[in-house]
Amino acid sequence: QQQVKQSPQSLIVQKGGIPIINCAYENTAFDYFPWYQQFPGKGPALLIAIRPDVSEKKEGRFTISFNKSAKQFSLHIMDSQPGDSATYFCAASRGSNYQLIWGAGTKLIIKP
Amino acid sequence: DTAVSQTPKYLVTQMGNDKSIKCEQNLGHDTMYWYKQDSKKFLKIMFSYNNKELIINETVPNRFSPKSPDKAHLNLHINSLELGDSAVYFCASSLAGLLDNEQFFGPGTRLTVL
Repeated sequence: QQQVKQSPQSLIVQKGGIPIINCAYENTAFDYFPWYQQFPGKGPALLIAIRPDVSEKKEGRFTISFNKSAKQFSLHIMDSQPGDSATYFCAASRGSNYQLIWGAGTKLIIKP
Repeated sequence: DTAVSQTPKYLVTQMGNDKSIKCEQNLGHDTMYWYKQDSKKFLKIMFSYNNKELIINETVPNRFSPKSPDKAHLNLHINSLELGDSAVYFCASSLAGLLDNEQFFGPGTRLTVL
């Protein structure tokens, strides 16, 4: 029940395409869903996050779509660029519990 | 103005040795973490430390021990190193109790056990 399942494991998209990364969770008590971006040789960094009271959140070219009934959320990257090539992690946490439950990560490559 | 720093960045050592990795944060956070990232990039939480409360991932061998001299530091000690300990270790910190629990990561320490 504590797991967050992330797919796909890897993804290759042409520049300008819209990569979509999906995550699913079981624990309905989760109420915070962040996405982290990790470049090679660096630590992960928060990219965008959403709470279940909204179905979509946009920040620049990055959008989170949230489906509470399906217990799924996804990351979309509009007009993707080679500089977006990185590993992306979804995560979830519950209330004041500061622990994040992490997805397995998606290695994204944007081809020029 | 580094937020979360770790030393060393690289650590190469022999099996059976004991080593430490240091972590410091200057963000005023009250919670710190250690993660292990394996070659498949999976992020595994090892420890979290908040207001002297230590939460240990039960799968972590007791050869690993965190030590926090103060709120700004959480060091990781590893005894009797094994080949399987080779990985990148990340320290992170956050401010517990905030609605958005953003964790700030250090640059990582790549540990290679020979």
